[in-house]
Amino acid sequence: ETGVTQSPTHLIKTRGQQVTLRCSSQSGHNTVSWYQQALGQGPQFIFQYYREEENGRGNFPPRFSGLQFPNYSSELNVNALELDDSALYLCASSPRHPGRDNEQFFGPGTRLTVL
Amino acid sequence: DQQVKQNSPSLSVQEGRISILNCDYTNSMFDYFLWYKKYPAEGPTFLISISSIKDKNEDGRFTVFLNKSAKHLSLHIVPSQPGDSAVYFCAATPNTGNQFYFGTGTSLTVIP
Repeated sequence: ETGVTQSPTHLIKTRGQQVTLRCSSQSGHNTVSWYQQALGQGPQFIFQYYREEENGRGNFPPRFSGLQFPNYSSELNVNALELDDSALYLCASSPRHPGRDNEQFFGPGTRLTVL
Repeated sequence: DQQVKQNSPSLSVQEGRISILNCDYTNSMFDYFLWYKKYPAEGPTFLISISSIKDKNEDGRFTVFLNKSAKHLSLHIVPSQPGDSAVYFCAATPNTGNQFYFGTGTSLTVIP
């Protein structure tokens, strides 16, 4: 069984640019959540996708957007990058309907640096 | 606004002794709590959870205690092993919605 994978591993961008991060969920999982983890902080919920629809969003501006594809893989897009967007971006998948009892399986993350 | 707080950034414990990691929360709507463990260059992995209808949940060497009146939970690891050295995150979620709120983490070092 393949776990959650994310690409790329590391990324360097400059202010104002746009970035797309990718996540492949674990086999059989139809729910994907994205988190931002700034240095020294815990993961912060960005949004969740369930069966290709956004199913909850944290306190992030609209320039953070996402997609989920029919195979349940997902993308996180960030427009107009700011220096504070530098962080580790984590993707987590969970099986079946999203819920507290469904364990989330995290990928290793993408380290984004904005210069 | 940090709704889940872990006030100890780090903790060192001798192998074989008990490790106690603490977590406080402010939102009274939280009713499900989880602990995750994170090794460097890996994503967090689920460790143990507890529902607000319980005050204790045990899984092998790991026990989570919940004190709802104090809005406090703790993770006990007994006995601590060097492989337990990692960053531990506390997380909580309310009874509505599916957003998880994480603490800032406690880095545990178990000394052989």
